[in-house]
Amino acid sequence: QQQVKQSPQSLIVQKGGISIINCAYENTAFDYFPWYQQFPGKGPALLIAIRPDVSEKKEGRFTISFNKSAKQFSLHIMDSQPGDSATYFCAASRAYGQNFVFGPGTRLSVLP
Amino acid sequence: NAGVMQNPRHLVRRRGQEARLRCSPMKGHSHVYWYRQLPEEGLKFMVYLQKENIIDESGMPKERFSAEFPKEGPSILRIQQVVRGDSAAYFCASSPTPGQSLTEAFFGQGTRLTVV
Repeated sequence: QQQVKQSPQSLIVQKGGISIINCAYENTAFDYFPWYQQFPGKGPALLIAIRPDVSEKKEGRFTISFNKSAKQFSLHIMDSQPGDSATYFCAASRAYGQNFVFGPGTRLSVLP
Repeated sequence: NAGVMQNPRHLVRRRGQEARLRCSPMKGHSHVYWYRQLPEEGLKFMVYLQKENIIDESGMPKERFSAEFPKEGPSILRIQQVVRGDSAAYFCASSPTPGQSLTEAFFGQGTRLTVV
C-alpha cells in the first residue's frame, strides 16, 4: 500500500530527445506527487509536483502527466540536455502533513 | 532564505562510537523528515518530526537510533554504537506547517556517514 514503483531503472537518451520516467502507486490516500532530481554527492532537489485535480503540469522542459484512475504518473523531459543527467525520484504523500514515499530512482544519462 | 542546512557534511566514526547528525530546517518550516540513502539506492524514510514531537517514526530501526527536534535548535539524528551497516548518506528535509501550506519538502545536502 505504501510502495511507489518506478521505471525504468536507467535510461539513456540522445541530446534533444525526450526522456520519460514512469511511476505507479497503490495508496489512494496519496494526493501529492513530487519529482526530485539528484546529482552525485548532492541532496535531492524538488523539480516539479502535481496534485490529482489536474492531469498535466508543465514547467519549462519538464512535464508531469497524471492518470488518477490508473494510479500512475510520469515525468517527461523535453529536449533533454547532458546537464539533465542525474537520478530522478518520484514520490507520493498526503498533501498536508505526512512523510513521503519515494520510488527507487531512475538514472538518466543524456548523451551529447 | 537559506536552505536546509545539515552538518557535518562528512562524518567518520569507528565501530561502537556515537554519530550525531544535525539539521536546521528552512526558515518558517516547522516539520522535519530524515531519510537514509544507501549507495545506488533510493531514499528510505526514517522519521518525521515537528517541534518537540515525533509524528511518525515507523522507519526508524528499533535499537540504537533516535531523533529529536527541540523547541530551540536543530533536529538531531543520533546513532549509538554505530556498525558498518550504518554507513550511508542521511538526508534531512523540511516542510511548512501542514494545513498552512502544501507540504513541499526541501532537502539538505546530506551527511555522509562512514563507519570504519
